[in-house]
Amino acid sequence: DAGITQSPRYKITETGRQVTLMCHQTWSHSYMFWYRQDLGHGLRLIYYSAAADITDKGEVPDGYVVSRSKTENFPLTLESATRSQTSVYFCASSPPSLAGGRNEQFFGPGTRLTVL
Amino acid sequence: GENVEQHPSTLSVQEGDSAVIKCTYSDSASNYFPWYKQELGKRPQLIIDIRSNVGEKKDQRIAVTLNKTAKHFSLHITETQPEDSAVYFCAASRGGATNKLIFGTGTLLAVQP
Repeated sequence: DAGITQSPRYKITETGRQVTLMCHQTWSHSYMFWYRQDLGHGLRLIYYSAAADITDKGEVPDGYVVSRSKTENFPLTLESATRSQTSVYFCASSPPSLAGGRNEQFFGPGTRLTVL
Repeated sequence: GENVEQHPSTLSVQEGDSAVIKCTYSDSASNYFPWYKQELGKRPQLIIDIRSNVGEKKDQRIAVTLNKTAKHFSLHITETQPEDSAVYFCAASRGGATNKLIFGTGTLLAVQP
């Protein structure tokens, strides 16, 4: 889906460096999410946002920071990268769920991050 | 918080056979249960979902069943084909103001030709 993009697609960094992963969607979806995917753990929610300037923690927020000044962008920052943050990161977006309606989340292509 | 358990973690079937993946959830307030398929190297994509006021839903070869009392739901794939090979994730949500999904740990389905 061209409507949600992530950059970079691949990133190698070193322990202690700051890294920012970008997410951009063109649908004007109000909700946006960041997940990390690790073998044996599935998709774990890091942070989510219900609208611009509204963010909240998910299951595994430690070591990450998010912001959302514009509806279409939801960057994820690793303040001081650690090896345990080596993972595939997915951004997703969804429109507000209508009563009784579908609550579909649309995923970006992912960013593969390696922390050495 | 909400917890979703998914079994089995891997499943191998012969082409044409059926496959069943099961999930249980802990939050009785959950009311939306989607299933996502993720092909190798690709992003997860929604394949079917069910709401808590429905017991079963079908879409061609795939179906999902929900037992609210037991807090479990299952994905059924009939007449499996090699292109069904992927990782499948179940999820649960309360919906409402957050739209959050809590995912299971995934099932790697391999369909042997």
